[in-house]
Amino acid sequence: AQSVTQLDSQVPVFEEAPVELRCNYSSSVSVYLFWYVQYPNQGLQLLLKYLSGSTLVKGINGFEAEFNKSQTSFHLRKPSVHISDTAEYFCAVMPSGGSNYKLTFGKGTLLTVNP
Amino acid sequence: DVKVTQSSRYLVKRTGEKVFLECVQDMDHENMFWYRQDPGLGLRLIYFSYDVKMKEKGDIPEGYSVSREKKERFSLILESASTNQTSMYLCASSLFRGPAPQHFGDGTRLSIL
Repeated sequence: AQSVTQLDSQVPVFEEAPVELRCNYSSSVSVYLFWYVQYPNQGLQLLLKYLSGSTLVKGINGFEAEFNKSQTSFHLRKPSVHISDTAEYFCAVMPSGGSNYKLTFGKGTLLTVNP
Repeated sequence: DVKVTQSSRYLVKRTGEKVFLECVQDMDHENMFWYRQDPGLGLRLIYFSYDVKMKEKGDIPEGYSVSREKKERFSLILESASTNQTSMYLCASSLFRGPAPQHFGDGTRLSIL
């Protein structure tokens, strides 16, 4: 079974500051990794994903994440945030082998960008 | 763009009622999913389907059932609604089995009184 831990439930930052949202996972098999974003009153949308290859993954809206296998982490970063980045962010994992393609989500991190 | 449409944004029902939540996707996706989202708990998978008339239990199927008679439509059924099923329900679809992105609807906020 897989599990995901998002270490911060809330992260407040000022506009134009850098931000890092932390995600650690646990799995006995290799995994695919995802970050999703949920804006207020909307469903989730995919920010970026790691399937294989380069451990630095770039996504939409200037976000990037780095896969670190030894630390079982997939932290999300943005060098300069905007008010419009205020949203809840979810890290998720999926086993990369076998026939189980279920996503397991973390509990989410609420990013609040203040002016 | 893929569109996943959930039939209601807000729904209020009474304890013991049979409740239907409907979800339709317009991109011929193979897979469909139902999640519930609760504050501090993230998203939890209720049921999913990889094909028409096929269903598999997720992590919290108790008290729920599903129906997929057509490829584009996936219904979640609360057989006898209870107050602990008050929650936000999210439907999603994906193109194929594997690491395909899941596309989500905007959710149905269900209150059971």
